[in-house]
Amino acid sequence: AQSVTQPDIHITVSEGASLELRCNYSYGATPYLFWYVQSPGQGLQLLLKYFSGDTLVQGIKGFEAEFKRSQSSFNLRKPSVHWSDAAEYFCAGGYSSASKIIFGSGTRLSIRP
Amino acid sequence: EAEVAQSPRYKITEKSQAVAFWCDPISGHATLYWYRQILGQGPELLVQFQDESVVDDSQLPKDRFSAERLKGVDSTLKIQPAELGDSAMYLCASSSRTLTDTQYFGPGTRLTVL
Repeated sequence: AQSVTQPDIHITVSEGASLELRCNYSYGATPYLFWYVQSPGQGLQLLLKYFSGDTLVQGIKGFEAEFKRSQSSFNLRKPSVHWSDAAEYFCAGGYSSASKIIFGSGTRLSIRP
Repeated sequence: EAEVAQSPRYKITEKSQAVAFWCDPISGHATLYWYRQILGQGPELLVQFQDESVVDDSQLPKDRFSAERLKGVDSTLKIQPAELGDSAMYLCASSSRTLTDTQYFGPGTRLTVL
């Protein structure tokens, strides 16, 4: 069965430090992959998405993610985090234009001053 | 910037009562989604509409949940009767048509069942 796994429930990073949030997927075919961010009291906002082509995807707010088929991963990165990046981050995947998105359980990011 | 509207933002109800949530997608978006997000988990798709037709409702507890999108625009999700386990955030999202199109999420309705 298709699944998306986020192994880290909670991560704390110092402001200005680099960030990497992990995401692993289980799909038979090349999946469509997404990263969303959810701030308290707000809906989810799409950071970036991957369908095909260049495996390094640039998103909004300075985020990027790299699709690695050999590792079944789609990790989210940011070179320098800001206090405003504190939020819940969700990785999600689908496998065709007609399928639904399956979300991971999320990683809560806290920023240390 | 166009947004997905949802109401109410918060709802407290007693078990066995009926509740209803409303969603108004971004104008022109053919696809509408209802998700349930339990605290500490990612959203789970309850129902997906393409225009006025249901595309996927495999995870919708049909004995108590119903959803409609009569004119292919706004949508209503109903729970009757509500149970304690229904306490969650109910999110609505819309997209132009397919999975590859960005889904835009509304702010959600926080339901508490007492």
